[in-house]
Amino acid sequence: KAGVTQTPRYLIKTRGQQVTLSCSPISGHRSVSWYQQTPGQGLQFLFEYFSETQRNKGNFPGRFSGRQFSNSRSEMNVSTLELGDSALYLCASSLGTDNQPQHFGDGTRLSIL
Amino acid sequence: GNSVTQMEGPVTLSEEAFLTINCTYTATGYPSLFWYVQYPGEGLQLLLKATKADDKGSNKGFEATYRKETTSFHLEKGSVQVSDSAVYFCVTNTGNQFYFGTGTSLTVIP
Repeated sequence: KAGVTQTPRYLIKTRGQQVTLSCSPISGHRSVSWYQQTPGQGLQFLFEYFSETQRNKGNFPGRFSGRQFSNSRSEMNVSTLELGDSALYLCASSLGTDNQPQHFGDGTRLSIL
Repeated sequence: GNSVTQMEGPVTLSEEAFLTINCTYTATGYPSLFWYVQYPGEGLQLLLKATKADDKGSNKGFEATYRKETTSFHLEKGSVQVSDSAVYFCVTNTGNQFYFGTGTSLTVIP
């Protein structure tokens, strides 16, 4: 069974640009969550999508948005990039029901110059 | 609200030493508990889980017991290896929301 796939693995952008990251969940998983990981702040929850609807949301500004498609694949978009957005962005999928663990991709490393 | 508190790192141990990483949680309801491990340059991997009180999760020589009375889920391993060097995260799940500890970095030296 294929794991969670995130593309691209690495990305370099400049301030003010926008970026879209992609996540393909494990087959059959309907929930996709996004996290930002930085050395200073650790792992922070961005949002979760379940059956194409945003079900949970963290405390990030509106520049961070996401969506989920009917095949459960998800994209995350960050607009007007800032230097502080440099981070490892992790995607995790799960069945989306209680007690089920999340399975993580290897992440997209985003660097802002 | 829900939160997870885990032992501050970094932790450095010699090979074959005993490992304990403490984790306590606050939660409404009855959470599921997990330990995840992150190796350098990779995403998080599920290490073990427990879904109800007194359950013991185990994998790769690691163990953790769901202690409802002390709201704890401490991770233990009897004899660590160099390959266990990684960051370990304690995680709770309530109502499909996941709460992560800050992570504990473990380095095992030969």
